[in-house]
Amino acid sequence: TQLLEQSPQFLSIQEGENLTVYCNSSSVFSSLQWYRQEPGEGPVLLVTVVTGGEVKKLKRLTFQFGDARKDSSLHITAAQPGDTGLYLCATLRGGFQKLVFGTGTRLLVSP
Amino acid sequence: DTAVSQTPKYLVTQMGNDKSIKCEQNLGHDTMYWYKQDSKKFLKIMFSYNNKELIINETVPNRFSPKSPDKAHLNLHINSLELGDSAVYFCASSQVGLNTEAFFGQGTRLTVV
Repeated sequence: TQLLEQSPQFLSIQEGENLTVYCNSSSVFSSLQWYRQEPGEGPVLLVTVVTGGEVKKLKRLTFQFGDARKDSSLHITAAQPGDTGLYLCATLRGGFQKLVFGTGTRLLVSP
Repeated sequence: DTAVSQTPKYLVTQMGNDKSIKCEQNLGHDTMYWYKQDSKKFLKIMFSYNNKELIINETVPNRFSPKSPDKAHLNLHINSLELGDSAVYFCASSQVGLNTEAFFGQGTRLTVV
C-alpha cells in the first residue's frame, strides 16, 4: 500500500474536455505538492497547497487540498494536448527531508 | 544554465558490470536525492543527502552506493548490475522547508542486458 494513491491511473480524453485527478491518503499532511512530468524529462512543480480547504488556480488548472488535509484534487478545464503528461502528487515526510510521490496519473489529451 | 544536470542520459550495459551516474546542481540547495522510476512510472526515493551527509537510505541494496563530495554533487555508483536495475534514475535537489520544491534532472535511462 502506497502512502499516496492517485486515481485514475490513466486517462485518455479529447481536447476541450474537463477532468479531475485525485490524490488520497489515510495520513494527514502538512502540505501537498503537484508535479507534472513530460516524456523524457524530470517532474516539474505545479503548485504547493498547505491549508486545509485551500484552492489554488494556475490558468486552467485548479488544485484543492481537502479540509482534513488527507487528500487533494487537480481539475483541468478544457484540456489541451499540451496538458499531456504524468501528474504526480507528493508530500514531505521525515522532517521535510523526504519527498514521497504518489502512484501517478498518466493523462493523454488528443486533438 | 541547467539547474540540475545528470550524466549520462542513457546507459546500456551488461549484467554484472559496475556503472556510475553523476549529478550536479547549481541552485545552492542543501539537499539532494536519488529517485528510481520504474516501468509503471512510480517514482521511489532511494537516497537523500543533506549537506553531504546521508539522511535517508530507503532499503536500497548495498550494490548501490551514493557519494556526495560536496553539497553541489551527488553521484550514484552501482555494482554488479542486475536486469531488475533497469529503470530511469533521477537526481533532484531542494532547500529543506515546509514549501520545499524539488528540482529534477532529466534522468538517466539505465538498461541492463
